Formats: sequence, C-alpha cells, structure tokens
Amino acid sequence: SQKIEQNSEALNIQEGKTATLTCNYTNYSPAYLQWYRQDPGRGPVFLLLIRENEKEKRKERLKVTFDTTLKQSLFHITASQPADSATYLCALDGTGTGRRALTFGSGTRLQVQP
Amino acid sequence: DTAVSQTPKYLVTQMGNDKSIKCEQNLGHDTMYWYKQDSKKFLKIMFSYNNKELIINETVPNRFSPKSPDKAHLNLHINSLELGDSAVYFCASSPRKTTGLAGPNEQFFGPGTRLTVL
Repeated sequence: SQKIEQNSEALNIQEGKTATLTCNYTNYSPAYLQWYRQDPGRGPVFLLLIRENEKEKRKERLKVTFDTTLKQSLFHITASQPADSATYLCALDGTGTGRRALTFGSGTRLQVQP
Repeated sequence: DTAVSQTPKYLVTQMGNDKSIKCEQNLGHDTMYWYKQDSKKFLKIMFSYNNKELIINETVPNRFSPKSPDKAHLNLHINSLELGDSAVYFCASSPRKTTGLAGPNEQFFGPGTRLTVL
C-alpha cells in the first residue's frame, strides 16, 4: 500500500544550526514533491517544490533534495532561527492517478531554541 | 487581502446536527479542494472541484456534500454530524486543473475551520 513517512514527529535544534527533515515514501511515483509550513491554528503555506528530474533546489535558507531511487526527500533549513519553529509537511504531487490531489505526510514539528 | 477565506473559524455543535462551512478564493484559480486534518495532523483530501465540476470524491460518507456555486466558492455541508467528524477542515485552491499532469499543483490553503462535535 502507499505510504508517506516523515521520520521525526518532533525535532529540537539550537539557533544557528541546520535543521534536516526527512520525507520517505513507498509505492508512489510522484512527478513533484512539495514542502509546506504550518503554524498552529493556521493553514499550510507552500514553501517550495522539486521535480522528479531535479536533485536539489534552493530558496534563500531552504534546500530540498529529491532521490527517486531511495524514494526520499530531505528538507534543510540553514542558519535556523526561532521564527522557523513550525510544523513542516511534505506532499507528493502527480501520483500518476490523473487526479492531481496532493498526498501529505503527517509533518515534523521543528522547535528552534534561542 | 485574503486569498482563501473560510467561515466559520470555529464550529461547536451537537451530534446529529447539520452544519455548513463556506470557502471563497479571490485568486482566480480553477480548482478548489476540501481537506480534513485529524488529531494526528494528517491532511487528507476529501473533494476537489474544477470550475464547478466535481473531480475528486474520496471515500467520504454521503453525509458530506460539497457545493460549488461558482469557481470562486466551494462550500461543505455536513448532515447528521458524528463525534468522529471532529477535526480541522481546510479549503484550498490551485491554478491547475485536477486532471492531467501538466505542471505542479501548488496549493493555497485557507485558515481552517475547527469543528467540534459534542
């Protein structure tokens, strides 16, 4: 059966360090992989996406990698700040069903300590 | 300048009641969605409409009925509410059509409606 896992339910790091979040999936063939940020009591906000034929994508302090052989994406926040504290969701896009709905992981709650 | 708005923000009601949640987007997008986020934070697709046409209807009980009067609005009506319906419901929109694989499907979410069934 299809499965998406974000390996850590919660991640605590010190300010200034790099946060690395993991998204693994099985039995999917996504055309894209997206990352969203969700703050408590609010809807998810799109951060960036990576295509299946891209290995790495960067946006300011964010970096995403996508390994379709390992079926894994890593999401990095460099020089982390307390304001980066939130839940981060990965989402698979283009699962080949033709229906184009996103399939979300359960999220990793990141806490950046000052 | 709200992009995707939902009302109400909070909804507390008794089992057996019927309630509606409204959603509006001013982004000019073609496709709108309803997602349910349960207590374990999983976001699951419920319905998708493209230009007022139902595209996705996941295995959701018949008590849930979406209605799209125009492409900027997608409302969710729930009949005979049950305890298990308690969750946060998110509306979202996307510029892409739901069918076909042309381009990514970045989505814009509303603030959510927290439904509590007592």
